[in-house]
Amino acid sequence: DAKTTQPNSMESNEEEPVHLPCNHSTISGTDYIHWYRQLPSQGPEYVIHGLTSNVNNRMASLAIAEDRKSSTLILHRATLRDAAVYYCILRGSYGGSQGNLIFGKGTKLSVKP
Amino acid sequence: GAGVSQSPSNKVTEKGKDVELRCDPISGHTALYWYRQSLGQGLEFLIYFQGNSAPDKSGLPSDRFSAERTGGSVSTLTIQRTQQEDSAVYLCASSSGQHSNQPQHFGDGTRLSIL
Repeated sequence: DAKTTQPNSMESNEEEPVHLPCNHSTISGTDYIHWYRQLPSQGPEYVIHGLTSNVNNRMASLAIAEDRKSSTLILHRATLRDAAVYYCILRGSYGGSQGNLIFGKGTKLSVKP
Repeated sequence: GAGVSQSPSNKVTEKGKDVELRCDPISGHTALYWYRQSLGQGLEFLIYFQGNSAPDKSGLPSDRFSAERTGGSVSTLTIQRTQQEDSAVYLCASSSGQHSNQPQHFGDGTRLSIL
């Protein structure tokens, strides 16, 4: 799986939107972009994933650059519960892959009331 | 619905003892993964089961670590002759398949402390 680069930390104010960036300049054409988050003392939680098109779900939106070399996770209204470490992970194509996730250090998001 | 369940949530044991950690995946999920997270470190892959195929053990750090998955459901991770460096949170995840567009669902882990 290709490598991703994320800022170590970000701060946000409660009820404001948050844009978490991720660079993945070596992404291959079949790599999916996954985002997970880990709240304190909990296991990682799946947030969203996409391949080429932007994606929306109840938790967040994922904006993928046209060249796919970067993406942005968007939390539309941050709450205190969104304070977590956010991981951007690329997953390679099916067949021959272990399927395991390769976690980097992620971005630690702090939310101020 | 029920998520991934791990037990015990906490385990304290003496150096040299054997420990068993249990994972109950989401019903129907064919893929099961074990990871560990040491204090202040990222998540490290340990072992992976997919259906009836032989497990991928490439992430196990030593031969003191082993895992099995009975009946394609519950999995047990066993650490023999525990050492202090084995202290970590052990996380289990399951997925409906190994395809790269299928998310993994994690339990809250077992916090293992070796005295």
